[in-house]
Amino acid sequence: IQMTQSPSSLSVFVGDRVTITCRASQSISRYLNWYQQKAGEAPKLLISGASSLQSGVPPRFSGSGSGTDFTLTINSLQPEDFATYYCQQSFTFARYTFGQGTKVEI
Amino acid sequence: EVQLVESGGGLVPPGGSLRLSCVGSGFIFSRHSMNWVRQAPGKGLEWVSYINISSSTIYYADSVKGRFTISRDNAKNSLYLQMNSLRAEDTAVYYCAREVYYGGKNCLDPWGQGTLVTVSS
Repeated sequence: IQMTQSPSSLSVFVGDRVTITCRASQSISRYLNWYQQKAGEAPKLLISGASSLQSGVPPRFSGSGSGTDFTLTINSLQPEDFATYYCQQSFTFARYTFGQGTKVEI
Repeated sequence: EVQLVESGGGLVPPGGSLRLSCVGSGFIFSRHSMNWVRQAPGKGLEWVSYINISSSTIYYADSVKGRFTISRDNAKNSLYLQMNSLRAEDTAVYYCAREVYYGGKNCLDPWGQGTLVTVSS
């Protein structure tokens, strides 16, 4: 299963609303996770099952979608949100694939 | 605190071998499947390998099949990746990641800090 994210990068201002999309090459139900990776750090799980926010993740982050089309939304972007975001499908058990990433820049 | 710590990375010539280790703490290691994921410099994430709790089910990405071997020692809370016949394109930061289920959906959480493998002469 191929995962395609768009855009690959975007330049935004603090306070902006950001929307990142992820498309699967076939239906993956809601087996879609989002990760945040800051420069020089390991990825961190933000959202599982397409829309379940992980404990400790600010509510300005939200996820939606099912089937082949998914969205990560960040409301009122904060300085600490500048990072690269990856989607990942877990539909094909233990043979996971990631999107190519979306870099959110100032 | 749930934590994963990788080690074993370094510089190795093409065709060489390296063994990575990952030690888990703060959780019952034997109850979780584990994964290796890598990231080439400036590139995205690539899943490498999976092992279930009993080591009875193992999967590899096509790019490493036949060259890499994943294993675990639950008594030592440890995960391993034996990498043979290394190529320049294997150069990457290698992360270990725990598999968990939230709301019936599997995901990788947490990830270790990563260990850098550089394949170069």
